[in-house]
Amino acid sequence: IAGITQAPTSQILAAGRRMTLRCTQDMRHNAMYWYRQDLGLGLRLIHYSNTAGTTGKGEVPDGYSVSRANTDDFPLTLASAVPSQTSVYFCASSDSPGSAGELFFGEGSRLTVL
Amino acid sequence: GQNIDQPTEMTATEGAIVQINCTYQTSGFNGLFWYQQHAGEAPTFLSYNVLDGLEEKGRFSSFLSRSKGYSYLLLKELQMKDSASYLCAVRNSNYQLIWGAGTKLIIKP
Repeated sequence: IAGITQAPTSQILAAGRRMTLRCTQDMRHNAMYWYRQDLGLGLRLIHYSNTAGTTGKGEVPDGYSVSRANTDDFPLTLASAVPSQTSVYFCASSDSPGSAGELFFGEGSRLTVL
Repeated sequence: GQNIDQPTEMTATEGAIVQINCTYQTSGFNGLFWYQQHAGEAPTFLSYNVLDGLEEKGRFSSFLSRSKGYSYLLLKELQMKDSASYLCAVRNSNYQLIWGAGTKLIIKP
């Protein structure tokens, strides 16, 4: 593994189902993020974690939860999926939130909620 | 509110030069980023500006004017592989990244 790995890459889900998107990084970055990307809109931050054991809410957190049990993993859970959560989800990491360092992105998870 | 404005789409010719503008209004400023995103792929980092002026990196350059809330990305000697979306993002005083919707650049032969 090099960088950030997301799974699944694509998923079709029935409304009301629970879904967890997985994200793993091997760069030992402290900060991790979950974004959603919708056509015509900028990337919107769902949740973030500045370091293992801590999480915070972003711009659009409702309907999503995260955990950060260790440095490498940052799963995103949709407790009860709704069609408005149809989107492309990107996990990202950086060495620290305030640094000039760039964000590294995973390849994305395309989720369709029917 | 906070917002980032950039053109939705631009078209340019292979071998030419194109400038993609970005204007921003954010609560504080702690740097501006440009990312490239090919269709169906993840964004990748292009440049970072925190001080006024021009940063050059090969065929790509990025300019920042903090007093005007303005940046541009300049792409020279355009190649077909430069066809992509270009995302402008500003880090505000809370170290949150605010993203523009992106500019889709179409390169024609």
